Amino acid sequence: GQQLNQSPQSMFIQEGEDVSMNCTSSSIFNTWLWYKQDPGEGPVLLIALYKAGELTSNGRLTAQFGITRKDSFLNISASIPSDVGIYFCAGQLRYAAGNKLTFGGGTRVLVKP
Amino acid sequence: GAVVSQHPSWVICKSGTSVKIECRSLDFQATTMFWYRQFPKQSLMLMATSNEGSKATYEQGVEKDKFLINHASLTLSTLTVTSAHPEDSSFYICSASPLTSGRRTDTQYFGPGTRLTVL
Repeated sequence: GQQLNQSPQSMFIQEGEDVSMNCTSSSIFNTWLWYKQDPGEGPVLLIALYKAGELTSNGRLTAQFGITRKDSFLNISASIPSDVGIYFCAGQLRYAAGNKLTFGGGTRVLVKP
Repeated sequence: GAVVSQHPSWVICKSGTSVKIECRSLDFQATTMFWYRQFPKQSLMLMATSNEGSKATYEQGVEKDKFLINHASLTLSTLTVTSAHPEDSSFYICSASPLTSGRRTDTQYFGPGTRLTVL
C-alpha cells in the first residue's frame, strides 16, 4: 500500500539538542498525526493536526501541517533520554476512505554513544 | 482515557495451528477497529478494517480466509490467524475509533500489540 516518505530514517540525539523530522506525500491528507512507539508496544498519539498551516505544540513537541496538505514536520526541543524510540507520521483522510491511516516508514531516534 | 487492550501480549504456536487475538476498547465504544501488522524495523501496515456487526474490509493482498476478523460488539474485535506458518510471525496491533462521547470519532487509539511467533 501507499506509504509516506519520512526522513530521516534514523538519528542520534544528544541530551539537550533540538531534533526535527518530516513527512511528505504525493497525496493530500486532511489530517496529519504523529505517533511514538517504544519497543514491543503500540504507537501512542503525540500530536494531531487538522488544518493546513496549523502549528501545534505538546510540551517539548511541536508539529506543523504543511500548507500544501502534503507534508508535516515534528520538532523535539531540548531532547532527553526518554525521547528515544520510533516516531511515525500518519496521514488520514477524515470522513473518507474509512478514516484509514497511512503511515510513514518511521524515524528511529537513538542516543549518541 | 481511550484505552485499548490486546490479549495475549505474546503467543508462540506450532505451524498449522490457529491463534486468536483479542482487541478491546476498555473505556469507550468503538464503531470501527483496525488491524495492523508490523514486521521488525518496519512500519505499520493496515490489514483490515472491522466494523461492528458487519464484515471486515481487507486491504489488497491480505487473505480474508487466513485472517478471520470478528467484531461482535462495540468493545471487542478478534483476529484469528488460521493455519499459521512461520512467515505469519509478526507484531499484530489493533486500533479503535470511538463511537462518540466527546471524542473525535476519526481518532485511532492503539493497543499494545501482540507478538506472534510461529515455530
